Amino acid sequence: AQSVTQPDIHITVSEGASLELRCNYSYGATPYLFWYVQSPGQGLQLLLKYFSGDTLVQGIKGFEAEFKRSQSSFNLRKPSVHWSDAAEYFCAVGAPRQGGKLIFGQGTELSVKP
Amino acid sequence: KAGVTQTPRYLIKTRGQQVTLSCSPISGHRSVSWYQQTPGQGLQFLFEYFSETQRNKGNFPGRFSGRQFSNSRSEMNVSTLELGDSALYLCASSSLDSTDTQYFGPGTRLTVL
Repeated sequence: AQSVTQPDIHITVSEGASLELRCNYSYGATPYLFWYVQSPGQGLQLLLKYFSGDTLVQGIKGFEAEFKRSQSSFNLRKPSVHWSDAAEYFCAVGAPRQGGKLIFGQGTELSVKP
Repeated sequence: KAGVTQTPRYLIKTRGQQVTLSCSPISGHRSVSWYQQTPGQGLQFLFEYFSETQRNKGNFPGRFSGRQFSNSRSEMNVSTLELGDSALYLCASSSLDSTDTQYFGPGTRLTVL
């Protein structure tokens, strides 16, 4: 069965510091992988996605993620965090061509210290 | 293009009532998925509709149902509401191109008293 684990429930970083949010997945083949961000009371905004090809993918707002098949990981990174990045981040996995069903991790809440 | 819209944004109901939530997908998107988000269970997939047919279903009781219209708009219905149905209900649409990327609406916050 597919599953997604985000080991860190809450992370606090200082503004300007680098960030890495961890995501591990379980899936029999290479899944589609996504990172979404959610601000309080809002829906989910897509940050980036991986389907195939280059394992380092660039997203919006300066985020990037690296797919590592050997580690079943898809960690999200940002070199310099801004206060506006404070939000909850969700990693998700989808099955190729099976449409419609994303399995989400439990989320990582990011706080940014001034 | 306008994004995914959901109405209403907030709802308050009492136990035993039923509720209908609406979702309008991005223009040209034919797939609509619904998710429930709660603090305890996180984001859970409810069901997905494509071309007016339910194509995929999560592990929710039969009180949760949905439908899709010919213009791809979708509704979900919850009958006999329970306190535990209080949640943020999110709708997502997808064009089902090679990437199946889902774009989410702002959600409907349902509170059951």
